[in-house]
Amino acid sequence: AQKITQTQPGMFVQEKEAVTLDCTYDTSDQSYGLFWYKQPSSGEMIFLIYQGSYDEQNATEGRYSLNFQKARKSANLVISASQLGDSAMYFCAMTNYGGSQGNLIFGKGTKLSVKP
Amino acid sequence: DAGVIQSPRHEVTEMGQEVTLRCKPISGHDYLFWYRQTMMRGLELLIYFNNNVPIDDSGMPEDRFSAKMPNASFSTLKIQPSEPRDSAVYFCASRHGQGNIQYFGAGTRLSVL
Repeated sequence: AQKITQTQPGMFVQEKEAVTLDCTYDTSDQSYGLFWYKQPSSGEMIFLIYQGSYDEQNATEGRYSLNFQKARKSANLVISASQLGDSAMYFCAMTNYGGSQGNLIFGKGTKLSVKP
Repeated sequence: DAGVIQSPRHEVTEMGQEVTLRCKPISGHDYLFWYRQTMMRGLELLIYFNNNVPIDDSGMPEDRFSAKMPNASFSTLKIQPSEPRDSAVYFCASRHGQGNIQYFGAGTRLSVL
């Protein structure tokens, strides 16, 4: 069965500092995708970054990078130069490509607070 | 390009009433997903469609919930009769068949009194 674990319910970071949000996953499939979404207080779900299981390089999108360690089954999100607008809930998610082409499995989320 | 559009954004209803949530996916996307978010259970898939056909509805909690996709640009999620435990945020998401990313709508916050 697929599972996503986010062990940090809440994190604080100083503005302009970097922060790492942890995510570990469990799957028996060889082909899968890992995602991070941001949910600000307004409630919408915003896609941030994607990593495929066969991608050899870590994904990067602007200030976001995904630290993918396949052997450890971890997919940590790194936010560089934190901004006040980064304060939000962050969800790690995965999907398996071997069977169903459908659902995302989400972790419980990490609430990030950026301090001025 | 417009994103996934959901309506209404907020819905307050009384127990026993019928509730209909609406979703317009991104044009050209052939997968559509309905998720529910609660404090207790987090984000969970209810049902998804491919080319307007329901593929997996194993997440639909019970017969009170039904979803349809009459065409490629419209889907509904109906709850009849509604109960207080249905109070949650309901998200619709869509994805292109050749892509990996699911794009979410803004969600509908449902409160059943």
